[in-house]
Amino acid sequence: EAGVTQSPTHLIKTRGQQATLRCSPISGHTSVYWYQQALGLGLQFLLWYDEGEERNRGNFPPRFSGRQFPNYSSELNVNALELEDSALYLCASHPPGTQSSYEQYFGPGTRLTVT
Amino acid sequence: LAKTTQPISMDSYEGQEVNITCSHNNIATNDYITWYQQFPSQGPRFIIQGYKTKVTNEVASLFIPADRKSSTLSLPRVSLSDTAVYYCLVGGGVTGGGNKLTFGTGTQLKVEL
Repeated sequence: EAGVTQSPTHLIKTRGQQATLRCSPISGHTSVYWYQQALGLGLQFLLWYDEGEERNRGNFPPRFSGRQFPNYSSELNVNALELEDSALYLCASHPPGTQSSYEQYFGPGTRLTVT
Repeated sequence: LAKTTQPISMDSYEGQEVNITCSHNNIATNDYITWYQQFPSQGPRFIIQGYKTKVTNEVASLFIPADRKSSTLSLPRVSLSDTAVYYCLVGGGVTGGGNKLTFGTGTQLKVEL
């Protein structure tokens, strides 16, 4: 079974530009979570998508947005990039019908560097 | 969100069994206990999850006593590649839905030859 995939692996942008990160969940998983992990810091929850809808978002400004497509893949967009947006962005998927939403499977991440 | 307490670090040798205990005195009725592993610069990896008694999978066992105020992750015959940070999470019950993961400081396990 293929795991969660993310692209690109690395992304370098300059301040003010826009970044688009992509995630494909494990086949059959309908929920996708996005997290930000800055160097030396813990996971920060960004967004949760389920069945194509945004269900919850973390404490991030509106320039962080995304969507989930009919095939359950997801896209994270970060507009007007700032230096502090440099981080590892992780996508995780969650199997439907499980007892606990704490069972999440992570992709390898996209390393975003803003210069 | 139930507060968890686990050792900051543990050392072991290859081939030994490692037991990491997590305390969670204020666990709620619908909370689950979940363990993750994380290597530097990588995303966390789901290891095991349980609600009560014992759960075993191909990589670990999870022991949960009847009062559920603690849990123990057991890693049989560790190898150097098991050197990582291990996180204990409590929560994520069905009524929560879409629970975002929040990691504490975790336990840094170091395995030596």
